[in-house]
Amino acid sequence: AQSVAQPEDQVNVAEGNPLTVKCTYSVSGNPYLFWYVQYPNRGLQFLLKYITGDNLVKGSYGFEAEFNKSQTSFHLKKPSALVSDSALYFCAVRDVNDYKLSFGAGTTVTVRA
Amino acid sequence: KAGVTQTPRYLIKTRGQQVTLSCSPISGHRSVSWYQQTPGQGLQFLFEYFSETQRNKGNFPGRFSGRQFSNSRSEMNVSTLELGDSALYLCASSLSPVTNYNEQFFGPGTRLTVL
Repeated sequence: AQSVAQPEDQVNVAEGNPLTVKCTYSVSGNPYLFWYVQYPNRGLQFLLKYITGDNLVKGSYGFEAEFNKSQTSFHLKKPSALVSDSALYFCAVRDVNDYKLSFGAGTTVTVRA
Repeated sequence: KAGVTQTPRYLIKTRGQQVTLSCSPISGHRSVSWYQQTPGQGLQFLFEYFSETQRNKGNFPGRFSGRQFSNSRSEMNVSTLELGDSALYLCASSLSPVTNYNEQFFGPGTRLTVL
């Protein structure tokens, strides 16, 4: 079975400060990892993914994520947060041997001006 | 390129009725997945279709069903609606089913309210 945990329901940061959204996962095989963002009354938008190779993945809107196999983590980061980054962020995992995508519960990010 | 479209965007139904939701994937995408999103349960996988065949199914009762057409468009049906079926139903499409590391592209969702 595969699962994702996002330990923080909410993350609050000031604009211009670094933003980190945490994610840990569990799969039986090797993982494919994804981050999505959801704005109010919208569907999910893809940010980035880890397949293999370099542990640091760069994505859309200045976001990046670091894959850590030993800690089974895939934390999302942005060096300097913007008010417009305020949204609901989802981490998702898929085992390489499965087509089902499992999502975490989501983390609400609020960036204050 | 047009994104994933879902119709209708909003639906209000009463208990016991049935409902059909529609999803048109991005042109060229052949895999379509459906998810239910609720505040309490989060995002839950319903099922995935490729080439008109259901390839994966989540843990939902048989009242939830779907199908995919030859043009990759997909429909989801919920029969005998219950209050707990009120949710945002999201459709997602992806390019290739052969390699499962492709990201999914989501539609705006259909907001279903069951009274």
